[in-house]
Amino acid sequence: EPEVTQTPSHQVTQMGQEVILRCVPISNHLYFYWYRQILGQKVEFLVSFYNNEISEKSEIFDDQFSVERPDGSNFTLKIRSTKLEDSAMYFCASGGTSGGPETQYFGPGTRLLVL
Amino acid sequence: AQTVTQSQPEMSVQEAETVTLSCTYDTSESDYYLFWYKQPPSRQMILVIRQEAYKQQNATENRFSVNFQKAAKSFSLKISDSQLGDAAMYFCAYRSGTGANSKLTFGKGITLSVRP
Repeated sequence: EPEVTQTPSHQVTQMGQEVILRCVPISNHLYFYWYRQILGQKVEFLVSFYNNEISEKSEIFDDQFSVERPDGSNFTLKIRSTKLEDSAMYFCASGGTSGGPETQYFGPGTRLLVL
Repeated sequence: AQTVTQSQPEMSVQEAETVTLSCTYDTSESDYYLFWYKQPPSRQMILVIRQEAYKQQNATENRFSVNFQKAAKSFSLKISDSQLGDAAMYFCAYRSGTGANSKLTFGKGITLSVRP
């Protein structure tokens, strides 16, 4: 069964450094998402992406964040200058074929720790 | 804005017994989707079950079923014949029916433990 994959599984970085989190969505999906979950809290929406542009973004998704689909398979989230409060689990999700409404399928997550 | 409420932070069930996890939501929309996701200790988000608001029939998926009460805006998950592997955090989530790229709005989650 196809699944969403994410790399790396864990990332430790110093405050102020740039990080890139990578995702490979399910191949025939058209819609891509990033969510994050701070430890002990609920999952929060960051951004959705369709047709090579951002469809919607939350208040969390400020100028420090960017997303890109550099080729036909990868979907990346970049944090330009990490802050301590960016420490969280980051989930990529994909959904939606040309046929209609979608369920979002999640990747295993990247655990980001900012020191 | 839509909100999802899971008021029970923790529940416990005896192995092989049945447990029901509660979820309520608030929306002014008539077309939407509801989901239950399971998050085991690995923290991966696994889809358990999905319900379309326009369907009157409650969704079932093997040992998992929902009780969807649209008028009451309630969406509970019933797990029958509970197994040790069911122990996890369970999140209820809402998605608007308008716009195929609509985001998911999650509740705070409930931690389910299963006693052997």
